[in-house]
Amino acid sequence: DIQMTQSPSSLSASVGDRVTITCQASQDIRNSLNWYQQKAGKAPKLLIYDASDIQTGVPSRFSGSGSGTDFTFTISSLQPEDIATYYCQQYDKLPHTFGQGTKLEIK
Amino acid sequence: EVQLVESGGGLVQPGGSLRLSCAASGFTFNRFLMSWVRQAPGKGLEWVANIEEDGSEKYYVDSVKGRFTISRDNAKNSLSLQMNSLRAEDTAVYYCVRDGRGGSSWPRGDYWGQGTLVTVSS
Repeated sequence: DIQMTQSPSSLSASVGDRVTITCQASQDIRNSLNWYQQKAGKAPKLLIYDASDIQTGVPSRFSGSGSGTDFTFTISSLQPEDIATYYCQQYDKLPHTFGQGTKLEIK
Repeated sequence: EVQLVESGGGLVQPGGSLRLSCAASGFTFNRFLMSWVRQAPGKGLEWVANIEEDGSEKYYVDSVKGRFTISRDNAKNSLSLQMNSLRAEDTAVYYCVRDGRGGSSWPRGDYWGQGTLVTVSS
């Protein structure tokens, strides 16, 4: 199975900060990567697909980049409503494994 | 509006069985792959199984192979997960997920249900 290593596991930042989360795959997954946001008690929400394409309706402060094994998710200017846990997921090979998540908190 | 509504969760004893269902609406169900993803209490997400548009191919994570069966009824716009020989480690919220269209660039995982909780305990 492909292992997805996400870092950091938790992050505290201030409103307006630029926030970056990384995800590393244990083998080449091309650009087959999603980023999700999960708020407490809710289902995950797709933010970024194919590593860098933003899902319809998602604010433009969210972005993704990378290909192969190394990927980055960025929030350009953190907002209070961005408090959540963020997950990457690869879908290049079955099973479609997730990273362990990054819990984002506001300072 | 796309909707995925799970049902069938509950408390079951170790070794028991449970069948989860997902009612889909607001899209052409038979044109999409579908998946189940679970989340143990306080833990991360785990992909469980998926099924192709016509139900011809099914895939499972190793930990549920031989115990869980994914199926779909395209006439009823319904996805199911039959879970047998349940273990304490299967305790989780189970999500029904729309998982893209084979051979296209349609986003995978674009819609999720609200989840249904399965608790395996004596």
